[in-house]
Amino acid sequence: GAVVSQHPSRVICKSGTSVKIECRSLDFQATTMFWYRQFPKQSLMLMATSNEGSKATYEQGVEKDKFLINHASLTLSTLTVTSAHPEDSSFYICSANPGQGRDGYTFGSGTRLTVV
Amino acid sequence: DAKTTQPPSMDCAEGRAANLPCNHSTISGNEYVYWYRQIHSQGPQYIIHGLKNNETNEMASLIITEDRKSSTLILPHATLRDTAVYYCIVVSNTGNQFYFGTGTSLTVIP
Repeated sequence: GAVVSQHPSRVICKSGTSVKIECRSLDFQATTMFWYRQFPKQSLMLMATSNEGSKATYEQGVEKDKFLINHASLTLSTLTVTSAHPEDSSFYICSANPGQGRDGYTFGSGTRLTVV
Repeated sequence: DAKTTQPPSMDCAEGRAANLPCNHSTISGNEYVYWYRQIHSQGPQYIIHGLKNNETNEMASLIITEDRKSSTLILPHATLRDTAVYYCIVVSNTGNQFYFGTGTSLTVIP
């Protein structure tokens, strides 16, 4: 089946530093990928839509200068959390649509970010 | 914004069928109903989806009412590994964004 790989699975960083999370589609091309954030005991919240070769589209209330998204190829999207603070600690998940003939939108396994 | 409502939690005895309801009364004609589940600290896993006909696959069955305003996910023989949060999501066939609701936390009891 379609696979989306996320890296790293866990990361701890110091407050004020930046962290990059990668999302790769392993066996299909994705012109669009999606980034979600999930706080403990809460549902997934869509942050932004990543578009290959163009600017990402951010959901209302999500700071585009803080959460930088780059979708430079058809198989890779990156989310960079800039100047991270403890309140940015969360579970970040990406997803992509493998296209017709395959079931559903595929999600990555997530990245647990802890800012200390 | 999420267009679905689900009960926050349910229990099911191991080996019995788990029936998870979802209300999507504002669904429009080109919107599909998708079901995903999430086990703690993992990414959501696709289960099944449908438009208006009932669907069945190796994991579950999806029953959609004739007016499409609600649906039920059926896990025919629940196991302990089915304990998870189950999300019902409505998405347009022309759009890609998934807006998750609060989901149903299913606990399968031995």
